[in-house]
Amino acid sequence: AQSVTQPDIHITVSEGASLELRCNYSYGATPYLFWYVQSPGQGLQLLLKYFSGDTLVQGIKGFEAEFKRSQSSFNLRKPSVHWSDAAEYFCAVGARGNTPLVFGKGTRLSVIA
Amino acid sequence: DSGVTQTPKHLITATGQRVTLRCSPRSGDLSVYWYQQSLDQGLQFLIQYYNGEERAKGNILERFSAQQFPDLHSELNLSSLELGDSALYFCASSVVGSTDSGEQFFGPGTRLTVL
Repeated sequence: AQSVTQPDIHITVSEGASLELRCNYSYGATPYLFWYVQSPGQGLQLLLKYFSGDTLVQGIKGFEAEFKRSQSSFNLRKPSVHWSDAAEYFCAVGARGNTPLVFGKGTRLSVIA
Repeated sequence: DSGVTQTPKHLITATGQRVTLRCSPRSGDLSVYWYQQSLDQGLQFLIQYYNGEERAKGNILERFSAQQFPDLHSELNLSSLELGDSALYFCASSVVGSTDSGEQFFGPGTRLTVL
């Protein structure tokens, strides 16, 4: 069965510090991988996606993620966090062909001064 | 703004009642998905429609049903509501095509509170 694990429920970082959010997936076929962000009271916004090609993908707001097939991971990174990055981050896995997404439980990011 | 609209934004009702949530996908998107987000279960896929036909079913209760209309908007019907149905319900839509990346565009959600 497909599954996504985000091991960190809550992470606190200082503004300007680097960030890495972990995501591990279990999927039988070639995975399509996504990171979404949800600000309080808002819907989900796509940060970046991977489905083929270069394993390092760039997204919006200065985020990037690296797909590592051998580790079944798709970790999200940002070199310098801004206070506005405080939100809930969700990793998701799907497949080509308009299939439903399977989401991780999310990681809540807090940013302190 | 993703282009996906959902109404109403908030809904407060009582146990045993029935409600209808509405979703309009992005222009041209044929596929609509419904997800439920709750504190204990996280984001769970409920059901998918593609061009009016049911395409996939997830953890959707028998008390819940959905449909997609010819104009492609979709409605999620929740009946015999229980306290545990209180959640944020998201609709998403996706592009269909040979180059599609599986990306789904999410609406702002409907927050359902069952008292």
